[in-house]
Amino acid sequence: QKEVEQNSGPLSVPEGAIASLNCTYSDRGSQSFFWYRQYSGKSPELIMFIYSNGDKEDGRFTAQLNKASQYVSLLIRDSQPSDSATYLCAVNIPDYGQNFVFGPGTRLSVLP
Amino acid sequence: DAGITQSPRHKVTETGTPVTLRCHQTENHRYMYWYRQDPGHGLRLIHYSYGVKDTDKGEVSDGYSVSRSKTEDFLLTLESATSSQTSVYFCAISEAAGGFRNSPLHFGNGTRLTVT
Repeated sequence: QKEVEQNSGPLSVPEGAIASLNCTYSDRGSQSFFWYRQYSGKSPELIMFIYSNGDKEDGRFTAQLNKASQYVSLLIRDSQPSDSATYLCAVNIPDYGQNFVFGPGTRLSVLP
Repeated sequence: DAGITQSPRHKVTETGTPVTLRCHQTENHRYMYWYRQDPGHGLRLIHYSYGVKDTDKGEVSDGYSVSRSKTEDFLLTLESATSSQTSVYFCAISEAAGGFRNSPLHFGNGTRLTVT
């Protein structure tokens, strides 16, 4: 069973706050984890990827991976109204031809 | 943006008619994918290709076929469109499978297909 779960939201945070987005996955063999942002009516665009346990920072974004607990999270610091979008978690599934499975996405709304 | 062009961008067709969607890339990436995106289901893999003439099925392949005669082109065909195939279709490319070698998916702009 290949499952990637996310809270659908909407998640509402005030401008300037930290937004925390979570993703859990079922396949313990998964090795690659990606976060995409999708604005309404647009295509998904890559934010960042992570392969190793721990934190990875890129500007205002931090990805956190815990393979033992099978979750990956995305923190957005100093949230801006322009961050309002749907955030998709993608996980590679070895038993699925190494293809990616996407979570349903979490809709984030940053309130001015 | 990665050099990925999908055509057409919008299409309305009638039930039972054949439809072909085209994905063209200029990145010379080996892997190409077709996904559909529906409310409540997220992105689901239809078919993918790992080289010229090398394709395989994804999660929701019933009713769809694909062809890849050149590295740069990946075609998705609905042999006889049904209303359940009304969706937004995204093409994606990657240099390697499974995100290896820091190779994520890059998406085209999508095709909105409506089957009436």
